[in-house]
Amino acid sequence: GDSVTQMEGPVTLSEEAFLTINCTYTATGYPSLFWYVQYPGEGLQLLLKATKADDKGSNKGFEATYRKETTSFHLEKGSVQVSDSAVYFCALRGTDKLIFGTGTRLQVFP
Amino acid sequence: NAGVMQNPRHLVRRRGQEARLRCSPMKGHSHVYWYRQLPEEGLKFMVYLQKENIIDESGMPKERFSAEFPKEGPSILRIQQVVRGDSAAYFCASSASGTGLTGGEQYFGPGTRLTVT
Repeated sequence: GDSVTQMEGPVTLSEEAFLTINCTYTATGYPSLFWYVQYPGEGLQLLLKATKADDKGSNKGFEATYRKETTSFHLEKGSVQVSDSAVYFCALRGTDKLIFGTGTRLQVFP
Repeated sequence: NAGVMQNPRHLVRRRGQEARLRCSPMKGHSHVYWYRQLPEEGLKFMVYLQKENIIDESGMPKERFSAEFPKEGPSILRIQQVVRGDSAAYFCASSASGTGLTGGEQYFGPGTRLTVT
């Protein structure tokens, strides 16, 4: 069945460092891909999405490119801030439900 | 436009009691999804409903769990005879459209954190 694999955390960075969180997927067809962010004690917020191959989703300095050839959707940000500390989930959408990776905790220190 | 609302935010139940979790979708949304997040894990799909219909319940445990989305009122996730393993965060999401690979974007509520003692 469809699945999403994310790099394990926590990822610990200093402020202004470069961020990469790896995400690969297995799916039949051409799913839509998403990154969600979860701040402590809160629900999930959609961070960005891409609906077809080579699409680049971007928001708040984060970006990810839908790579069909490597079945990947890695999340990147050029300069992280302390306020980016959260758990990040990669997800794909099959026919109706979202299928999530296990999440990657990001900790950014000043 | 209010977002997805869930209540209660926190719920404590003793083993054997019933838990009822409520979800009010965003205005204009008629598709509701329930997900469960166990501690330190990702979200797992449970059930997908449209008004008065269960569309996909492939993620629901076979026993003790049920869900409904009546014509009027919120969607309800009901857990009978709770056990400690039911302790988790339960998230509801809604969308304006549903099925198909280009189905509507899902917006999440803040979740209900169920603790079974």
